[in-house]
This record gives sequence, C-alpha cells and structure tokens, in this order.
Amino acid sequence: EVQLVESGGGLIQPGGSLRLSCAASGFTVSSNYMSWVRQAPGKGLEWVSVIYSGGSTYYADSVKGRFTISRDNSKNTLYLQMNSLRAEDTAVYYCARDPGTGTAFDYWGQGTLVTVSS
Amino acid sequence: DIVMTQTPLSLSVTPGQPASISCKSSQSLLHSDGKTYLYWYLQKPGQSPQLLIYEVSNRFSGVPDRFSGSGSGTDFTLKISRVEAEDVGVYYCMQSIQLPLYTFGQGTKLEIK
Repeated sequence: EVQLVESGGGLIQPGGSLRLSCAASGFTVSSNYMSWVRQAPGKGLEWVSVIYSGGSTYYADSVKGRFTISRDNSKNTLYLQMNSLRAEDTAVYYCARDPGTGTAFDYWGQGTLVTVSS
Repeated sequence: DIVMTQTPLSLSVTPGQPASISCKSSQSLLHSDGKTYLYWYLQKPGQSPQLLIYEVSNRFSGVPDRFSGSGSGTDFTLKISRVEAEDVGVYYCMQSIQLPLYTFGQGTKLEIK
C-alpha cells in the first residue's frame, strides 16, 4: 500500500529555518517525481517544489533561493529544507507523488502545518 | 506561466442532482505526445486532496463512475451525474503540461442543499 507521512512542521519565527520530512512506503521515492504542495489557511493549493527521478530539482518563484528539496534513497524519504521563512510561508505542506505515467499527484500525505509567526 | 481559471467558485446542489465545474487554461494543454495534461482533484473537509480524473477523462482507481471529465485544448469540465453527500468539498483542476511547473485552479467549493 502506498503511504506518505509528513513530519517536521511547527511554529517558527520569521527568518528561521525548518526541515520537513516525508516518509514513503509501498513504492520507491527515487523512481518517481516527488513534489511538495502547500495550502495557506483557507486558500487553494500551490505547488512548491519537485525532485525528478534523475535528481533534477525545481522550485516555484515564491520559494526559489530559500527552499531546498532533497531525498534520502536509503530511507526512502523526501525532504524540504526551508530557510529565511516568512509569514506568507504559513501553510499546510503536503508531499505528493507523480509517477510520471500520466496520473500526476496520485498519492498525497496527510500534511504538516508550518506556522511562521513571532 | 499557465493560468487555470475555474467557474463557478462555489455551488450548492441537491442530492441526486447533477453538478458541473468548468476549468479554462490560458494555453492549450495538448502536448506534442498527443496527451492532454489536465487533472481534477477533490479535497474533502479536513482531508488531503485526492485524484479523481487524470488526462482529462480517465477516472483514477476507486473513483465512482458518477464522476466524468471532458474537454480539450483549453476548456475542460468535471461533471457529477448525481451528487451525493460524500461529494462535498473543494474541487481543483491542475495542469502539468508546463513541467516542472504544476498549476492549480482556484478551487470550486461544492455544498449540499
């Protein structure tokens, strides 16, 4: 069974850093396109970042230069390192799988809440 | 960047009645490989989004056949033939032709009358 479990969210002051984790089971992270998608309180979905199976990484303009996506193949886990956090980064962060075969974002995690506030 | 525009932003439907949501993209979602990269998701209250429809009209595993998708180019529609109480939530369309950038519509909130 495919499962994605996020962790690492919490309350952080503006300018701070946080690392989110997404532990996968039932499939191999490194064989898929893995993304982070966020949802600000009461708002819609916003794609944040993707890491391709080949290792290439891409970011939304809103987080470029501040966030870094990575994966640990030995742990089958996806990460999002978030630096220089701003109030507008407050959101639930979901990891999602795109197998690259047409069913984009076929599985999602339950999400982890990041609150940036002083 | 491709902009996805959904209408309406909210709708209230009597159980058993049909519902329809429109999604328009600012550029064609038809790829040179012949596929159209348009998806529909449902986010039920308090839950993560779930995939309903992929590549315009293909129902994902386990999705009831009362859900159907249609359209081409820049105009797409999600239809629910007979709305049930469990269908409440926010529906999003999304494009993935412009990878690595995925773009979602604003969302359409479905409520039951």
